Amino acid sequence: DADVTQTPRNRITKTGKRIMLECSQTKGHDRMYWYRQDPGLGLRLIYYSFDVKDINKGEISDGYSVSRQAQAKFSLSLESAIPNQTALYFCATSDGSGPEGEAFFGQGTRLTVV
Amino acid sequence: QKEVEQDPGPLSVPEGAIVSLNCTYSNSAFQYFMWYRQYSRKGPELLMYTYSSGNKEDGRFTAQVDKSSKYISLFIRDSQPSDSATYLCAMKATGNQFYFGTGTSLTVIP
Repeated sequence: DADVTQTPRNRITKTGKRIMLECSQTKGHDRMYWYRQDPGLGLRLIYYSFDVKDINKGEISDGYSVSRQAQAKFSLSLESAIPNQTALYFCATSDGSGPEGEAFFGQGTRLTVV
Repeated sequence: QKEVEQDPGPLSVPEGAIVSLNCTYSNSAFQYFMWYRQYSRKGPELLMYTYSSGNKEDGRFTAQVDKSSKYISLFIRDSQPSDSATYLCAMKATGNQFYFGTGTSLTVIP
């Protein structure tokens, strides 16, 4: 089983719909991140959380919200989806016990907003 | 100016060639430097990790960091078709968030 699991893997939704992407991890890491990846733009940080009570906006948080339900779970919501939110979304985790921890990524969720 | 700059390519080389991938950065506080490899429709996976300046070698892969020039490189020797992927550089300061390059798409032609 994957250490970082994202559901769903693929989703097509209509403009204006609310949608939630879920991420769960078994690595025991405190830190979790949501990124979106677009061609030519690379990985852009949407939100991040350094522990259950900590939520921080990233570079492109407008139109998104998150919930850290537990150490192992971090969900991303699109309140009212729009076509330019069509992208590949990645959840990642890292170990916050030391400064050197690298990021571990899930397999991604391909979201299409029509 | 973006914190991390990476040439997106695409880069196409014949099998067996030496590949050089590079990133530049502007934040002198960055101390941890990583290279990730991402196959199509997959999540990025850590390939190399370097702390501060210097070289690190792992098989056919060598990572170099030159903090004085704010420049990092990844070299792939004897490149193989299985190396075809997108390579992303990443870096961070102590305990803080990651900063990623846009990725370089590499194709190794048999």
